[in-house]
Amino acid sequence: TQLLEQSPQFLSIQEGENLTVYCNSSSVFSSLQWYRQEPGEGPVLLVTVVTGGEVKKLKRLTFQFGDARKDSSLHITAAQPGDTGLYLCAGEVRGQNFVFGPGTRLSVLP
Amino acid sequence: EAGVVQSPRYKIIEKKQPVAFWCNPISGHNTLYWYRQNLGQGPELLIRYENEEAVDDSQLPKDRFSAERLKGVDSTLKIQPAELGDSAVYLCASSLRFTSSYEQYFGPGTRLTVT
Repeated sequence: TQLLEQSPQFLSIQEGENLTVYCNSSSVFSSLQWYRQEPGEGPVLLVTVVTGGEVKKLKRLTFQFGDARKDSSLHITAAQPGDTGLYLCAGEVRGQNFVFGPGTRLSVLP
Repeated sequence: EAGVVQSPRYKIIEKKQPVAFWCNPISGHNTLYWYRQNLGQGPELLIRYENEEAVDDSQLPKDRFSAERLKGVDSTLKIQPAELGDSAVYLCASSLRFTSSYEQYFGPGTRLTVT
């Protein structure tokens, strides 16, 4: 059983478009992290959200943690080819262990 | 500062053969994780170390997988014997224990192909 679901599974957009990807679960998490992974590399942490309803911004990326701490979204404004990659969310369980979702594979075409 | 180092980067073996992966975490990071990432999936935790102690190995298939972290620094993950289904990327990550964000730093991974 997948603890975390991510949607969409794949997304291909043109440079300059906006997009939102989602991370959903029926479980409550102490914290939730978003990572980006490029081919042949390990995931790189983008943000950690801890408080329900929390919104964090990282340049053109906006992250939101759901009020009930069961879901999260990542919004990218004016996507660029450099944003291409696999976006993974990970929810914290049992203190310092994280369960990863299957990821959203984003392709931004120039 | 050097990141998490893993070797080898790629490994191709025949089924039933043994294989070992090595990880050197970021200096000072006492928590070390081994993950397995299947194609098209997110990483799945295999084992977590606090210093030299394995504090969570509940997802490690102990019939064929073993891990060690001698002296609480480098770690080795071994599979013996390997099966076709073990083909995956094996990721190592490390973090500082006493930080609120539990920020994990991942290595580039070892891509294992079992034929």
